[in-house]
Amino acid sequence: EAGVAQSPRYKIIEKRQSVAFWCNPISGHATLYWYQQILGQGPKLLIQFQNNGVVDDSQLPKDRFSAERLKGVDSTLKIQPAKLEDSAVYLCASSFRAAAATNEKLFFGSGTQLSVL
Amino acid sequence: AQKITQTQPGMFVQEKEAVTLDCTYDTSDQSYGLFWYKQPSSGEMIFLIYQGSYDEQNATEGRYSLNFQKARKSANLVISASQLGDSAMYFCAMREGWQAGTALIFGKGTTLSVSS
Repeated sequence: EAGVAQSPRYKIIEKRQSVAFWCNPISGHATLYWYQQILGQGPKLLIQFQNNGVVDDSQLPKDRFSAERLKGVDSTLKIQPAKLEDSAVYLCASSFRAAAATNEKLFFGSGTQLSVL
Repeated sequence: AQKITQTQPGMFVQEKEAVTLDCTYDTSDQSYGLFWYKQPSSGEMIFLIYQGSYDEQNATEGRYSLNFQKARKSANLVISASQLGDSAMYFCAMREGWQAGTALIFGKGTTLSVSS
């Protein structure tokens, strides 16, 4: 079974530029998550989709970040314009069930490491 | 307030020894789940073990076990017989409640270094 796919693996941009990350979850997984992991810290949820609807985007900086999940499968996370503090690893994860159950585990991709100069 | 607290930034252990990684959590929900993930230098988060709030037995998965003390709100990970490949970041995480749309909340992690 293929895992969660993310691209690109690395991205270096200058501040005020825009960048986009792509995620393809495990086939059949209804829920998709984007997490931001700053160096030395744990992952922080940015946005959660269930199928193609947003469940939680309360921690997404909406003035510069946007995300979509087309047809309930692939997802794209965009930053425009980027700031220095956006330097982090962006992790995509997916889980199987449409309705979260307490024991439902997340499967993660390898992440996109973003450096903003 | 922190929902998940991992107080050990780094731990050092020798091969074949056991090690305990600490995790305390804060929730007012009766139903919740606790997870441990491993993150090697490659970056991918790997699921290790799960404990439900109503589970009476401590969870075990191979060399991993979870020391669950509900009254103290702690969920420590025990790795027995450490191996060099166990060197990685370890994250404790929690999901609160049963309702749809609850993501995992992660702690800051503990770096484990295993030496020969």
